[in-house]
Amino acid sequence: GENVEQHPSTLSVQEGDSAVIKCTYSDSASNYFPWYKQELGKRPQLIIDIRSNVGEKKDQRIAVTLNKTAKHFSLHITETQPEDSAVYFCAAWPKGSARQLTFGSGTQLTVLP
Amino acid sequence: GAGVSQTPSNKVTEKGKYVELRCDPISGHTALYWYRQSLGQGPEFLIYFQGTGAADDSGLPNDRFFAVRPEGSVSTLKIQRTERGDSAVYLCASSLLGQGETQYFGPGTRLLVL
Repeated sequence: GENVEQHPSTLSVQEGDSAVIKCTYSDSASNYFPWYKQELGKRPQLIIDIRSNVGEKKDQRIAVTLNKTAKHFSLHITETQPEDSAVYFCAAWPKGSARQLTFGSGTQLTVLP
Repeated sequence: GAGVSQTPSNKVTEKGKYVELRCDPISGHTALYWYRQSLGQGPEFLIYFQGTGAADDSGLPNDRFFAVRPEGSVSTLKIQRTERGDSAVYLCASSLLGQGETQYFGPGTRLLVL
């Protein structure tokens, strides 16, 4: 089955700096990669996703890149703000999977004012 | 419109008891998923419904866990003979049609087994 590894587990940045979170996946059939943000005690919320037919997608301060050959994808947040502080999860979905989304273990991002 | 809702928000029970957790998906969403999230971990897939049927229950840890969705909308996750290791947040998500689509999560039910 699919295995998703996420790094780092914790990340602290100064407000205004960029943050990068990286994930690797094992199943080359994976073709859908969402990123979720989860604030303490709240539900996971989708912030951006990418499919395997594109290499990069951007939405304002958030971007995701995908390298299918290396089987890794990354979340980039620019001009970080304190409200970006949360746990971020990557996930992968192999086409035809019997196990649906497989999540990484999460990254606790702290943006210091 | 209304998002995914789950009840109760918190549930405390004693080891060996039976519990039911409810999920109300977004109206019109045919796909419904249950996940379990332990502290410091990502959500772990349990079961996926397409309409009324369980299309994939391969994530259920053992036969103490069971879920139903009799009318293709609300779903109930049932846990028999609860164990302390069942303590976690149980998340429900729904999507419009199914595989490879955006999943919208509910707020979760925090289950504590004493």
